[in-house]
Parts: sequence; C-alpha cells; structure tokens
Amino acid sequence: DADVTQTPRNRITKTGKRIMLECSQTKGHDRMYWYRQDPGLGLRLIYYSFDVKDINKGEISDGYSVSRQAQAKFSLSLESAIPNQTALYFCATSDLKLADQETQYFGPGTRLLVL
Amino acid sequence: GDSVTQMEGPVTLSEEAFLTINCTYTATGYPSLFWYVQYPGEGLQLLLKATKADDKGSNKGFEATYRKETTSFHLEKGSVQVSDSAVYFCALTGNTGGFKTIFGAGTRLFVKA
Repeated sequence: DADVTQTPRNRITKTGKRIMLECSQTKGHDRMYWYRQDPGLGLRLIYYSFDVKDINKGEISDGYSVSRQAQAKFSLSLESAIPNQTALYFCATSDLKLADQETQYFGPGTRLLVL
Repeated sequence: GDSVTQMEGPVTLSEEAFLTINCTYTATGYPSLFWYVQYPGEGLQLLLKATKADDKGSNKGFEATYRKETTSFHLEKGSVQVSDSAVYFCALTGNTGGFKTIFGAGTRLFVKA
C-alpha cells in the first residue's frame, strides 16, 4: 500500500465551486505539505504544517485553505475555484528525524480541472 | 530568497548516451541539495541528495556533486536507458526558515531506443 495517498486522483469542477483535496499518510511523519505543479514552473508551496497545531502559508496560499485533522491527514480546500487553479496538486511529508528530515515523500497527485 | 535554476528541456538522447542536466542555486548558509525524479503519472521521488560541500550523491547510476564554489549540483549519468525517461527536479532545502524546500522548474528527459 502507498505511504502517501491522495483523493481524488482526478477532479473536474466548475468556477465558483468549493472543493476539497485530501491527503493521508501512514509514514508517521510530522510534517505535511501541499504543492501545485504547473508546466515550466516546477512545484510551488501552497501550505505546510509541522504538526497538528501548526499551519503555515507557503508562497501561493491565496484562494486556498487547509485543515490538519490529525497527524496523518492534511486537506486542501479551494473555497471558490477559478480556472487558473487548474493544475496538478501534490501532497508530501517529511520527518524530523535528523538523518533524513529534509527528504520529502510525495503522493501520486490530484489532477484538477476548473472549467 | 533562495532559488534553483536548472536547464530547460526537453532533453532528447539516444539510449547509452551520456546525460548532464545542469542545476545552479542561490541560498544563504549551507543548504542540502536534492534531485527528485517524476515518472509519468506519478509523484516525485527522491533520486539522490548531498548535504554538504564536496559530497557526491549517487543512485541508479546517476551522480551529482555539491559544488559550493560554483553553487552547482549537476546531474550526470554515463549511459541512459529508455526507462530513465522522466522529469528531473533539482531542489534545495535551506537550514533556516523552517527547512522549506525550493524546487527548480524541472527538466524533461526523453530517451530513444
């Protein structure tokens, strides 16, 4: 079974709709991240969380919100979707253990299309 | 702020050719450097990493050396295979500001049989 899972894998929605992307992990990691990937732009950080009570904005948080429901779950919401939020979204985790704290482990991605 | 610049793609090579993908970075302090690989339809996965100057990371025949004097971390492989076709991302994690990771734009590699 995959260590980091994302649901749904694909989603088509309409402008103005609220949608939620979910991420779950079985790695026991404290840190979780949401990125979006756009062609030619690499990955850009939307939000990150270092533990259940810690939520931080990344470089492109406008139009997004997150919820860390438990150590293993980190959800991303688009409050009112717009077409330029069409992208591939990735959840990732990392661990505080000193030997490997910087390596990130990615889910398979959610492809979102906003019409 | 910190940044990563990598060569634009796509890069198209024949099987068994030599591969170089250039990566340079700007960062304060002493970041850790990474190459991640993304195969079609999948998330990114760590390919190799180096945590201090002159360290060489290696995995699956790929290598990269942390060069602080040139702020570079170029990815190389002596003989590519069709199965190496993927998108390669150079990244750094700074040791300030909460260990956030900065990714390059990615370089797509096509290997022809």
